Amino acid sequence: DGGITQSPKYLFRKEGQNVTLSCEQNLNHDAMYWYRQDPGQGLRLIYYSQIVNDFQKGDIAEGYSVSREKKESFPLTVTSAQKNPTAFYLCASSMGKGELFFGEGSRLTVL
Amino acid sequence: KQEVTQIPAALSVPEGENLVLNCSFTDSAIYNLQWFRQDPGKGLTSLLLIQSSQREQTSGRLNASLDKSSGRSTLYIAASQPGDSATYLCAVMDTNAGKSTFGDGTTLTVKP
Repeated sequence: DGGITQSPKYLFRKEGQNVTLSCEQNLNHDAMYWYRQDPGQGLRLIYYSQIVNDFQKGDIAEGYSVSREKKESFPLTVTSAQKNPTAFYLCASSMGKGELFFGEGSRLTVL
Repeated sequence: KQEVTQIPAALSVPEGENLVLNCSFTDSAIYNLQWFRQDPGKGLTSLLLIQSSQREQTSGRLNASLDKSSGRSTLYIAASQPGDSATYLCAVMDTNAGKSTFGDGTTLTVKP
């Protein structure tokens, strides 16, 4: 089945550690996005990529990094510079500026 | 900067009632507007997508309208059911930047 796969579903991090969240899509979409969701709030854009080997900062990029080496993959690294990383992270993709499709999310908790 | 507001933040209705959820945005230069449903701890499920040139879209008991000039969209849910209980989010995609801005959502509870 076509879709977006995020892994891991749950992740625990000690302070000072970097962690990487995986996002893979088999929809042949050009654009991919990472959003962060805090309890009771909407989604805030971290990074997005409209083509391979290119990406742009969203509204809250500080403390995060991404790469887009393959069309189907857009991993997100949460670095130790991110002061409040505990959140629900959602990956999405779209064909150009079309309909957004989301994965099931990854919940990161800092111990 | 685009800002998206959803009112009310929470809504509780008895089963069978028709209801309207509201979404407003500040910049009318949008490419499309999309409504989503989110169940607790889950990702977002797309409900309806309205292109900027369209006025409304329908899917089953759901109808979404778009008025770009006034910066507003509504999601109408007919004959609500307990299974409709979820958080509903709207998102607008900017014409130029090709990125979407989300509202904070409306949490709907439909009581049997």
